[in-house]
Amino acid sequence: EAQVTQNPRYLITVTGKKLTVTCSQNMNHEYMSWYRQDPGLGLRQIYYSMNVEVTDKGDVPEGYKVSRKEKRNFPLILESPSPNQTSLYFCASGRDAGYTFGSGTRLTVV
Amino acid sequence: EDQVTQSPEALRLQEGESSSLNCSYTVSGLRGLFWYRQDPGKGPEFLFTLYSAGEEKEKERLKATLTKKESFLHITAPKPEDSATYLCASCSMNRDDKIIFGKGTRLHILP
Repeated sequence: EAQVTQNPRYLITVTGKKLTVTCSQNMNHEYMSWYRQDPGLGLRQIYYSMNVEVTDKGDVPEGYKVSRKEKRNFPLILESPSPNQTSLYFCASGRDAGYTFGSGTRLTVV
Repeated sequence: EDQVTQSPEALRLQEGESSSLNCSYTVSGLRGLFWYRQDPGKGPEFLFTLYSAGEEKEKERLKATLTKKESFLHITAPKPEDSATYLCASCSMNRDDKIIFGKGTRLHILP
């Protein structure tokens, strides 16, 4: 089954404790992207990658890092999480024919 | 600046009552206009991609249309299971294929 897999689904962490949210796709897509979704603000792009070793900032990249060492994986790294990064995060892959989204990671930073 | 604006923010309809959702866009070099459905707490689910003005696509009770300035998602004889948030997004070829999402329309179909 074609899918984008994110882990974990839920995460509660403390301010400043580094964390990684994993994202993997099995569709051989070149393009992958991370979004955060907040009430009233909609989906906002954090980072995207057009291929292996090629990453670019989206609209809200501050406080986040990404890497794309393999085509299938695109992890999102929060080096020092803060409460304003509490949000629902989505990974997506594909593009022209439409994104496939993961199921989401609900992150709470206390 | 590229923008995608959806209206209304929320819409309540009786089962069987047809209506349309609007997506207005100002995008430099539109590569594609997308529609997604999102259920609470879940990832958006792809519905349609429209590439050029005049194009239409249909899926069950949904039909998406595109003009040079806006797109419509027409819902014919909706059922309660059509209740969801519908998202519109644009992809700009002039801005490194940047994708911008609207804030969505929350649709509630009453039985």
